[in-house]
Amino acid sequence: GAGVSQSPSNKVTEKGKDVELRCDPISGHTALYWYRQRLGQGLEFLIYFQGNSAPDKSGLPSDRFSAERTGESVSTLTIQRTQQEDSAVYLCASSLVGGDNDYGYTFGSGTRLTVV
Amino acid sequence: AQSVTQLGSHVSVSEGALVLLRCNYSSSVPPYLFWYVQYPNQGLQLLLKYTTGATLVKGINGFEAEFKKSETSFHLTKPSAHMSDAAEYFCAVRVNYGGSQGNLIFGKGTKLSVKP
Repeated sequence: GAGVSQSPSNKVTEKGKDVELRCDPISGHTALYWYRQRLGQGLEFLIYFQGNSAPDKSGLPSDRFSAERTGESVSTLTIQRTQQEDSAVYLCASSLVGGDNDYGYTFGSGTRLTVV
Repeated sequence: AQSVTQLGSHVSVSEGALVLLRCNYSSSVPPYLFWYVQYPNQGLQLLLKYTTGATLVKGINGFEAEFKKSETSFHLTKPSAHMSDAAEYFCAVRVNYGGSQGNLIFGKGTKLSVKP
C-alpha cells in the first residue's frame, strides 16, 4: 500500500481482556518495528522484525506482550490480560533496509489503546 | 550502547525567531541520526537524516541539522519559525547489530511552541 496502515485506530478494552493490534507495512519493506508512546512520553521501543524473524525483542515489557509477522507482510502485536498501564498509542513503522543505505522509517498513525 | 538526549522538553519561540532544538547522542560506532516531527494527533514524519557524507543535512519545511562528531551533537535549526512548526520533535539514533541495521532509539522529545 501507499503507507503503513494500522488497525484499529482506537480500541477501548476492559482490564484483563486480550487485544490484538495489526500493522500492514509498506509493500516491499523488509523491516518492521513496534513502539509504544504513553501520554506525554517519548517513544518506547518494543520489538523489531527483519523479515519474519525478530532480532530484537528486548523492549517487550512483559510476557503478556507478544508479536509475530508473516513473511515480509502483516504483523500483529498481542497484549494478554491487559492492564491500565498498557494504555498508550502503539505505533508501527516499516523501512527498506539494505547495505549502507538507510531510508528511514515510515510510521503508521497508530492504535490508541485505552484500558478501563 | 546507543542513546539520545534531547535538552529541553519544551521550547517556546516567537514567530520569525530562530528555532534551535538540541540533541546529543552516545554511540560507539559511527551513528545514523534522524529527526522526526509529530504534529498534534498525527503520526511521526521524517524531517531529515544523517548517514554518511556531508555533515550539514537539509530537511523538509526549511529545517536543517549539523552532525558534529567532536560534540556528539545533531542539533536541529530553522532560521525563522512559523506558526505551523508547532509540534513535537524527536531525535533518534539507529542501533547497529554487528553491521546490520536495527531499530531506532528515540529521545524523549521536545515540544515546540510558536508565539504570534
